[in-house]
Amino acid sequence: EVQLVESGGGLVQPGGSLRLSCAASGFTFSSYWMHWVRQAPGKGLVWVSRINSDGSSTSYADSVKGRFTISRDNAKNTLYLQMNSLRAEDTAVYYCARDWDGYWGQGTLVTVSS
Amino acid sequence: QAVVTQEPSLTVSPGGTVTLTCGSSTGAVTSGHYPYWFQQKPGQAPRTLIYDTSNKHSWTPARFSGSLLGGKAALTLSGAQPEDEAEYYCLLSYSGDLWVFGGGTKLTVL
Repeated sequence: EVQLVESGGGLVQPGGSLRLSCAASGFTFSSYWMHWVRQAPGKGLVWVSRINSDGSSTSYADSVKGRFTISRDNAKNTLYLQMNSLRAEDTAVYYCARDWDGYWGQGTLVTVSS
Repeated sequence: QAVVTQEPSLTVSPGGTVTLTCGSSTGAVTSGHYPYWFQQKPGQAPRTLIYDTSNKHSWTPARFSGSLLGGKAALTLSGAQPEDEAEYYCLLSYSGDLWVFGGGTKLTVL
């Protein structure tokens, strides 16, 4: 059974940092592109970032470029999102998704507030 | 960055048919945007219904279908059920390297 489980969310002050993880199981993680998507409370979905299967290529939404870094460890079947210089507008549930083929995690909440 | 537009809200009667659309600020939506459609119910993660314009997953009810219509991507629901009440999001790919979600359509079955 394909499973994606996010962790690492929490409360952080503006300007702070946080690293999210997405643990994958039930499939060959190293074969798939992965994405991070976020959803602010009561708002719509926003694509954040993607990484290719071996980690050699990444892309980002303009709103997070230069502040967030996506990475992966295929040996640990884990996807990461390093978030720096966090702002109040980064407050959201962050989901990881497998290559848009139907598998999403349940999300982890990041709250940026003083 | 491109803007993807959807109807903010639509209402359909039980058993009725409704079409949701997805447009792009950069011009006509084509198969090269690989349109996706997602369904999200309150408190749940999104669920992928349609990929690459019109392809369905094994869990996608037959009453949902995807297409290109008048320069937009379209999701048609034929024979609406109460459980179809949800938020629907489209997603477009730009140059295969950037993705943009639409703002979502709140579908009411009433």
